[in-house]
Amino acid sequence: AQKITQTQPGMFVQEKEAVTLDCTYDTSDPSYGLFWYKQPSSGEMIFLIYQGSYDQQNATEGRYSLNFQKARKSANLVISASQLGDSAMYFCAMRSANQAGTALIFGKGTTLSVSS
Amino acid sequence: NAGVTQTPKFQVLKTGQSMTLQCAQDMNHEYMSWYRQDPGMGLRLIHYSVGAGITDQGEVPNGYNVSRSTTEDFPLRLLSAAPSQTSVYFCASSIDRGLSPLHFGNGTRLTVT
Repeated sequence: AQKITQTQPGMFVQEKEAVTLDCTYDTSDPSYGLFWYKQPSSGEMIFLIYQGSYDQQNATEGRYSLNFQKARKSANLVISASQLGDSAMYFCAMRSANQAGTALIFGKGTTLSVSS
Repeated sequence: NAGVTQTPKFQVLKTGQSMTLQCAQDMNHEYMSWYRQDPGMGLRLIHYSVGAGITDQGEVPNGYNVSRSTTEDFPLRLLSAAPSQTSVYFCASSIDRGLSPLHFGNGTRLTVT
């Protein structure tokens, strides 16, 4: 079965520091996509970054990068130079062609708190 | 640059009432879907559509109906609301049913008393 595991319920970081949010996944499908979403306290789901299973290079989007280690089935999100506005819940998710409805499978999330 | 628009943002229903949550996207996306978000359960797929006139069930479809008469609109109907349907509902779309990112609406917080 497809599964996403986020083992860090909460993370704390100071402004301008980098932080890594962990994500491991389980799938037998060779073709899949990995995503990170941010959910601030206002409730919306904001797409941050995407990594395809066949991509050779790690994805980057501004201050976000995805540390993709396929053999270990991990897809950690790295946020560089944290800002107060980064305080939010972060979800790792996976989508695969063989998943019913090509649904996004979500982890339980990590709450990130950034302090000044 | 509207993206995915959901209405209403908040709704309170009494048990047994029916209502429709509206969802519209202006990105010409083929794939649309509804999720519910519950504490400790994450987001779960209710129904999805891969194009106008085509819908199918997700993980938790009971108590909900959908239709897709146009590419833009994908309403979610609660037939007879129950307290177990108290949740936050998200509509999401993607350009296709493949591995592309889902773009979410801002959500509807529904309370059933």
